[in-house]
Amino acid sequence: DAGVIQSPRHEVTEMGQEVTLRCKPISGHNSLFWYRQTMMRGLELLIYFNNNVPIDDSGMPEDRFSAKMPNASFSTLKIQPSEPRDSAVYFCASSLPWVGGGDGSPLHFGNGTRLTVT
Amino acid sequence: AQSVTQLGSHVSVSEGALVLLRCNYSSSVPPYLFWYVQYPNQGLQLLLKYTTGATLVKGINGFEAEFKKSETSFHLTKPSAHMSDAAEYFCAVSAPYLGSNFGNEKLTFGTGTRLTIIP
Repeated sequence: DAGVIQSPRHEVTEMGQEVTLRCKPISGHNSLFWYRQTMMRGLELLIYFNNNVPIDDSGMPEDRFSAKMPNASFSTLKIQPSEPRDSAVYFCASSLPWVGGGDGSPLHFGNGTRLTVT
Repeated sequence: AQSVTQLGSHVSVSEGALVLLRCNYSSSVPPYLFWYVQYPNQGLQLLLKYTTGATLVKGINGFEAEFKKSETSFHLTKPSAHMSDAAEYFCAVSAPYLGSNFGNEKLTFGTGTRLTIIP
């Protein structure tokens, strides 16, 4: 089991540039989540996909952020244009569905992408 | 609506001493409760969870937690701290919905407690 794979691990970019973060979920997991972690706000859910379909993007901070999941094994989070306040660690996580609300299948997190926007 | 409060953003204990990390929750329906651990430069990983049944749950690395409904608490304990336990710990709450296939999207994390182990 390779786990959730994120790339790149570190990204340093200048304000105004486009940034694309990538995620490969665990095979067989049909739920995928993008989180952002900062000292000030802790862990925030940005967007959630189920079976490749975005279900809830209410956590996406603004239109500069977009996420896609073209297939079950790949997702991207794009920031365009990037700003210094976007600096954070971005995590992708995947899970199995909670069938009938009953089993509490845990989230499996990748190691994150540390984004620095200067 | 649901929420989690972790008391103490930083906790230090001596190696071999008891670890106690506090978590109180608020939920309008019977909750599912989780503890996740984050080691430096890594993502979160599940330590243990409470869904239904036995209120004392055991997790990995010798940790356990007890669901106390009357106190709305889910404190994490370990009898004897080890240097490798140094990490950040997150309590989380979710609410399963009958007939729903979803659940993790309802997960609410606490702000985390950084555990330091003193040699």
